[in-house]
Amino acid sequence: DIQMTQSPSSLSASVGDTVTITCRASQGVRNYLAWFQQKPGKAPKSLIYGVSNLQTGVPSRFSGSGSGTDFTLTISGLQPEDFATYFCHQYSYFPHTFGQGTKLEIK
Amino acid sequence: QVQLVESGGGVVQPGRSLRLSCAASGFTFSSYGMHWVRQAPGKGLDWVAVISYDGSNKNYADSVKGRFTISRDNSNNTLYLQMDSLRAEDTAIYYCARERLYSSGWGIDSWGQGTLVTVS
Repeated sequence: DIQMTQSPSSLSASVGDTVTITCRASQGVRNYLAWFQQKPGKAPKSLIYGVSNLQTGVPSRFSGSGSGTDFTLTISGLQPEDFATYFCHQYSYFPHTFGQGTKLEIK
Repeated sequence: QVQLVESGGGVVQPGRSLRLSCAASGFTFSSYGMHWVRQAPGKGLDWVAVISYDGSNKNYADSVKGRFTISRDNSNNTLYLQMDSLRAEDTAIYYCARERLYSSGWGIDSWGQGTLVTVS
């Protein structure tokens, strides 16, 4: 199975900051990499598919990049509603796998 | 708008069975692949299974292979997860999710609210 490792596991930031979350795959996943946001007690929300494509309705302050095994999610100009947990997801190979999550907290 | 509503969760004894349902509305269900993803209490997301739009292709996580069966009824816009030989480690919120095809690729775009399964 492909292991997805996110870093950091948690992160403190302030409104207006720019933050970057990294996701590393144990082997190449081509461009089949997605990012999800989850708030406590809620279902995940899809943010990005195919490394860098924003889902409909996702603000442009979210962006994704990377290739092969190394990927990043960047949030530029944090808003109060962005404080949540973020998961990367590879769907290049079965079984699909997720990163362990990065909790973004308010400083 | 896209709506996915899971049901069928509850408390079940180890070794017993449970069937989850996911009722879809607001889109042409028969045109989309569908996934089940679970989340144990306080833990991360764990992919469970996927089924193609017509039900002809299915894939499972190793942890559930041989015990869980994903299926769909396109005439009733419903996705199912039959869970047999349940174990304590299957305790989780189970989400159904839609897979969407874009011109630039594909990915999961919509999620249900989840249904809690407790094996105890």
